[in-house]
Amino acid sequence: QKEVEQNSGPLSVPEGAIASLNCTYSDRGSQSFFWYRQYSGKSPELIMFIYSNGDKEDGRFTAQLNKASQYVSLLIRDSQPSDSATYLCAVRDSGYSTLTFGKGTMLLVSP
Amino acid sequence: EPEVTQTPSHQVTQMGQEVILRCVPISNHLYFYWYRQILGQKVEFLVSFYNNEISEKSEIFDDQFSVERPDGSNFTLKIRSTKLEDSAMYFCASTSSGGTDTQYFGPGTRLTVL
Repeated sequence: QKEVEQNSGPLSVPEGAIASLNCTYSDRGSQSFFWYRQYSGKSPELIMFIYSNGDKEDGRFTAQLNKASQYVSLLIRDSQPSDSATYLCAVRDSGYSTLTFGKGTMLLVSP
Repeated sequence: EPEVTQTPSHQVTQMGQEVILRCVPISNHLYFYWYRQILGQKVEFLVSFYNNEISEKSEIFDDQFSVERPDGSNFTLKIRSTKLEDSAMYFCASTSSGGTDTQYFGPGTRLTVL
C-alpha cells in the first residue's frame, strides 16, 4: 500500500515569512512528485512538480526532492494571506499515471 | 486557458438511486481520471481511462461504478445504486500524456446521498 504522509497542521506563519511544507512517501519506485493547493470546497490546483533530486524554483515557490530520504518539501517565500489553503503532496510511479495523495497540510498566513 | 469542466456542481440523491456525473476534459487531452474526496479526507483515485477503455482502477471502483466516453467530448462516471458512503466530492482530471504530464482537475461535483 503506497502511503504519502503529511503533517495535517495547521501551519501558522505571519505574512512575509517563509512557509515550509513537508511530505514523505513510502514507495521507492515513485518518480514524479507534485504539489497541489486546495482551497476549502474547491478542486486541487497544481502549483508545481519535480522529478529530479534537488531544488526547483518557480516564483515564490521552491520544491525540494530527496529520493534517498523519500522526502519532498515545498517552500513558500513571502507568504501572503491568499496562500492560506491546504497543500496536497502527490506522487506517481514510473510507468503509471495514478496520483497518490497525502491528506494535506493546512497553511494559515496571518496579516 | 483551457480547463476541465464538470456538471452538476452539486447532486443530491436518495440512497439506491443511480447518478451520472459528467465531465468535459481539456480538448486535446487523451487520458481521463476520476478521483473522489470524502469530506475531511484525502483525494483518492478511482479510475483512469484511455483509448476508450479503463486503463487502471482502484479497489474503490467496484461493480457499482462505471465510466464511459459517450461522444468526443464528455466523460461520465455512473454510480448504479448509491450508498450513504458515496457522499463525497468527485473530481475529474485529464492529461495529454499519462506517463509524464501533469493532471488538471475540474471543479468537482459534490454528491450528497440521503
